[in-house]
Amino acid sequence: DSGVTQTPKHLITATGQRVTLRCSPRSGDLSVYWYQQSLDQGLQFLIQYYNGEERAKGNILERFSAQQFPDLHSELNLSSLELGDSALYFCASSVGGTGGAWARETQYFGPGTRLLVL
Amino acid sequence: QQQVKQSPQSLIVQKGGISIINCAYENTAFDYFPWYQQFPGKGPALLIAIRPDVSEKKEGRFTISFNKSAKQFSLHIMDSQPGDSATYFCAAAIRGATNKLIFGTGTLLAVQP
Repeated sequence: DSGVTQTPKHLITATGQRVTLRCSPRSGDLSVYWYQQSLDQGLQFLIQYYNGEERAKGNILERFSAQQFPDLHSELNLSSLELGDSALYFCASSVGGTGGAWARETQYFGPGTRLLVL
Repeated sequence: QQQVKQSPQSLIVQKGGISIINCAYENTAFDYFPWYQQFPGKGPALLIAIRPDVSEKKEGRFTISFNKSAKQFSLHIMDSQPGDSATYFCAAAIRGATNKLIFGTGTLLAVQP
């Protein structure tokens, strides 16, 4: 168990809908990262937050947004869902996330949320 | 430039054998190279990681070999066990304003008893 929790574990929804995925980082970790895992794209970095502020953006669609709250949990919002959004969404956390010692930058992954868009 | 190429896509090894997975990168700014292990239905878990200032790192049966000039790194699993059957991902990151991970495409390892 990495200490990172994600809810829900599974999500089934229809095209055009909006969903929210939730992540609680390990105790003491300030950075949260979101990754998408699909068969055709593999594991892709979406976005990183550090202590409530956006730190980096990857291949995140404009229909997707995220935020990190004062208690450091994070939510990934996916809207106007399309069939191609079906994937596993992972959250990871690390102590740091701003270029410090690598021991502080190690990312620990949660169990993921499996999203199926029908 | 931001890609990490991983091979093979799948690998079958007999119990007790050596499993070898290779990765290559182009961006010389990468300065952190972790390997993650993923079991079905689970999130990736850090297995072992290396920085480019060392050529080899060993942890138990797992060894990373790093060739900076060739921009390649590999994972060796000695005495492979059926419990090692999983998908393995190499990754690379640039320590700096962010340490987002760029993942390889993954290798599905099956260790036959």
